[in-house]
Amino acid sequence: DGGITQSPKYLFRKEGQNVTLSCEQNLNHDAMYWYRQDPGQGLRLIYYSQIVNDFQKGDIAEGYSVSREKKESFPLTVTSAQKNPTAFYLCASSDREYQPQHFGDGTRLSIL
Amino acid sequence: ELKVEQNPLFLSMQEGKNYTIYCNYSTTSDRLYWYRQDPGKSLESLFVLLSNGAVKQEGRLMASLDTKARLSTLHITAAVHDLSATYFCAGGLNYGGSQGNLIFGKGTKLSVKP
Repeated sequence: DGGITQSPKYLFRKEGQNVTLSCEQNLNHDAMYWYRQDPGQGLRLIYYSQIVNDFQKGDIAEGYSVSREKKESFPLTVTSAQKNPTAFYLCASSDREYQPQHFGDGTRLSIL
Repeated sequence: ELKVEQNPLFLSMQEGKNYTIYCNYSTTSDRLYWYRQDPGKSLESLFVLLSNGAVKQEGRLMASLDTKARLSTLHITAAVHDLSATYFCAGGLNYGGSQGNLIFGKGTKLSVKP
């Protein structure tokens, strides 16, 4: 079955450490997105990529970095510059214009 | 800048009752989406609304779009416990030339009680 796979499901970060969240899709979608969700809040866009080797900052990109070397993969690195990284991170992808975004199961990141 | 506001943010319903969730957006958006999220889970797409007057129905849920009023509604008919979840609306935005980015409301947490 086609879908989006995020790993790990749970991740703990130590002070000063960078951590990378994985997102892989086999839907052959061009566009991929990273969102952050805080308790009781909606989703906020961190980064998005419409095509391989290109990505753009969303509303809350500070302290995060991404790469898009392959169509299927869009990893997110939470750097030590992100002082409040505890949140639920969701990766999504979409195909044609106006089609809904498909979401992965998320990664829950916490501070040790 | 597109802003999306939902109300109510919390909704406790009795089984069998009807209710409506409202989604207002601040500027022109050419598409409106509704998603469902169960606790600790991902988002599931429910409806895509692309034009003024669009109405979509699936089971006990019906979504509509009024672009002139910048309002979408999600109507729940004869609620059942299985509908308990958080419902998000999201407006589409041309973001730096992209047409795929969404701005989400804060969500409406629905609890259906017997």
